[in-house]
Amino acid sequence: GENVEQHPSTLSVQEGDSAVIKCTYSDSASNYFPWYKQELGKGPQLIIDIRSNVGEKKDQRIAVTLNKTAKHFSLHITETQPEDSAVYFCAARRNTGFQKLVFGTGTRLLVSP
Amino acid sequence: DGGITQSPKYLFRKEGQNVTLSCEQNLNHDAMYWYRQDPGQGLRLIYYSQIVNDFQKGDIAEGYSVSREKKESFPLTVTSAQKNPTAFYLCASRVTGYSNQPQHFGDGTRLSIL
Repeated sequence: GENVEQHPSTLSVQEGDSAVIKCTYSDSASNYFPWYKQELGKGPQLIIDIRSNVGEKKDQRIAVTLNKTAKHFSLHITETQPEDSAVYFCAARRNTGFQKLVFGTGTRLLVSP
Repeated sequence: DGGITQSPKYLFRKEGQNVTLSCEQNLNHDAMYWYRQDPGQGLRLIYYSQIVNDFQKGDIAEGYSVSREKKESFPLTVTSAQKNPTAFYLCASRVTGYSNQPQHFGDGTRLSIL
């Protein structure tokens, strides 16, 4: 079955710096890759997603890149702000049969003022 | 506002007791999911339901049970057979019939042992 690895597990940056979180997946049939942000005591919130027919997607300060050949995708946050501090999860899903979402183990991002 | 409501926010279980976690959604989504989240781990799938009156086991279903009698409701029962129930439980839902639609999550229930 699908396996998603996520790195790093923790990431500390200064306000204004960029942050990059990387994920690799094992199932070449996966074609949907969402990223979630989870604040303390809350449920995960979708922040951006990408489909396999697209190599990059941007939404203001957030971007996701996908390399299907290498089976990895990354989240890029530019001009980080303290409110970006949270746990970020990547996930992968194939579009056949039951569409099970497989999650990475999360990255705790800390943005210091 | 449309969304997913989980209750209670905190729940305590005594030894040998069954407890039920509530999940209600008004998004008109067909599919609903239950996940368990432990510190330092990703979300693990307990049960899912793609349509009313039907549900399937996920990766860690032992010690849990669910029902799906209404489209908007998907309660999870943590039974006494679940020996390590302390965790954060998340309910999610998704529209079906369209490819690659995202899952939306509630704000979770934290279950602890007394």
